[in-house]
Amino acid sequence: AQSVTQLGSHVSVSEGALVLLRCNYSSSVPPYLFWYVQYPNQGLQLLLKYTTGATLVKGINGFEAEFKKSETSFHLTKPSAHMSDAAEYFCAVSDQNAGNMLTFGGGTRLMVKP
Amino acid sequence: GAGVSQSPSNKVTEKGKDVELRCDPISGHTALYWYRQSLGQGLEFLIYFQGNSAPDKSGLPSDRFSAERTGGSVSTLTIQRTQQEDSAVYLCASSSGLRTLNEQFFGPGTRLTVL
Repeated sequence: AQSVTQLGSHVSVSEGALVLLRCNYSSSVPPYLFWYVQYPNQGLQLLLKYTTGATLVKGINGFEAEFKKSETSFHLTKPSAHMSDAAEYFCAVSDQNAGNMLTFGGGTRLMVKP
Repeated sequence: GAGVSQSPSNKVTEKGKDVELRCDPISGHTALYWYRQSLGQGLEFLIYFQGNSAPDKSGLPSDRFSAERTGGSVSTLTIQRTQQEDSAVYLCASSSGLRTLNEQFFGPGTRLTVL
């Protein structure tokens, strides 16, 4: 079975500050990992994904994440927060043995202060 | 359309009634997923369709929930005898379903409220 833990259901940063959203996973097989963003009253949009290869993955809107197998982590970062980054962020792991269905973390709501 | 569409966007129903939620996946996508997003349970997988294979129903919470996919395209999620705990946003996603991993594209969801 797979699971995802996101530390911090709410994170608040100032505009221009570093954004760090934490994600740890457990998986019995090599994981495929994802970060999705959800803006209010909208569906989920893929930010970035890790499958194989380079462990530092760059996504849209200046976000990136690093896969660290030894730490079973896939933390999401952005050097400088923008007001438009305020949203809910979900980390997910894919089950390759079960049709690639996604197991999500509990989500982290990012608030950006002016 | 260009993306995954779902209807209705909002549904309010009375406890005990049946509801049907519809998902139109991206044209050509063979894999289709239903997820549920609720305050208490977060985002949960419900059911998965891949081509003509038997669906993976392992995430359905009870036998009141069922889904079908007609012609390998449109899918309908049916909830019978709705309960208040069924209130949630129901999200549909599709992907190209190739053996290599492909991104799941999500629809905007249907917000179900059971009174």
